[in-house]
Amino acid sequence: GAGVSQSPSNKVTEKGKDVELRCDPISGHTALYWYRQSLGQGLEFLIYFQGNSAPDKSGLPSDRFSAERTGGSVSTLTIQRTQQEDSAVYLCASSSAERWGANTGELFFGEGSRLTVL
Amino acid sequence: AQKVTQAQTEISVVEKEDVTLDCVYETRDTTYYLFWYKQPPSGELVFLIRRNSFDEQNEISGRYSWNFQKSTSSFNFTITASQVVDSAVYFCALRNRDDKIIFGKGTRLHILP
Repeated sequence: GAGVSQSPSNKVTEKGKDVELRCDPISGHTALYWYRQSLGQGLEFLIYFQGNSAPDKSGLPSDRFSAERTGGSVSTLTIQRTQQEDSAVYLCASSSAERWGANTGELFFGEGSRLTVL
Repeated sequence: AQKVTQAQTEISVVEKEDVTLDCVYETRDTTYYLFWYKQPPSGELVFLIRRNSFDEQNEISGRYSWNFQKSTSSFNFTITASQVVDSAVYFCALRNRDDKIIFGKGTRLHILP
């Protein structure tokens, strides 16, 4: 597709369930970011993938959160044993930076996945 | 450590007024990038501008202008003759050498007709 695609756009789940959020970046973009947007909290960095390098996971809030990126393209963010405080919009962004240190920061964002944990 | 502070949580101005959105950053790196993004009510963030740490020239694009001052670690954004379509949440962001891009908490701007 032309832009960053995220699915599902909305997800309602019960506390304690696992959820998977998917991001399909712009074709050819090697850099991929996940952010979490909570009301009044801005964008919280979660994880950054660059090509086949080991990702920067320094923003993941707990070991219940994990992410992978298959074949350098599609990424999945998994939240295990969801809690109510996980409710937020999860945003994915990609950019055309080809290597670490080359990301000039023009990120293309998806529309986000809104997660509600009851 | 890196940090971006947008002290103004919410601003309301009447259409055609000028408005400045403040951004203050912290970083220990000498090489870094600063950005502004716009998030309209539709929700999708849109890139507005990038500035690297070696370029302190101010930039003007139509009604938008940006003032980068390393001495005060600020990268402020001014909208001249504001319009209702400028209503959005605006985010300032910082990228260090490690490619992590950190965003401020955003400023919600209301342009009143």
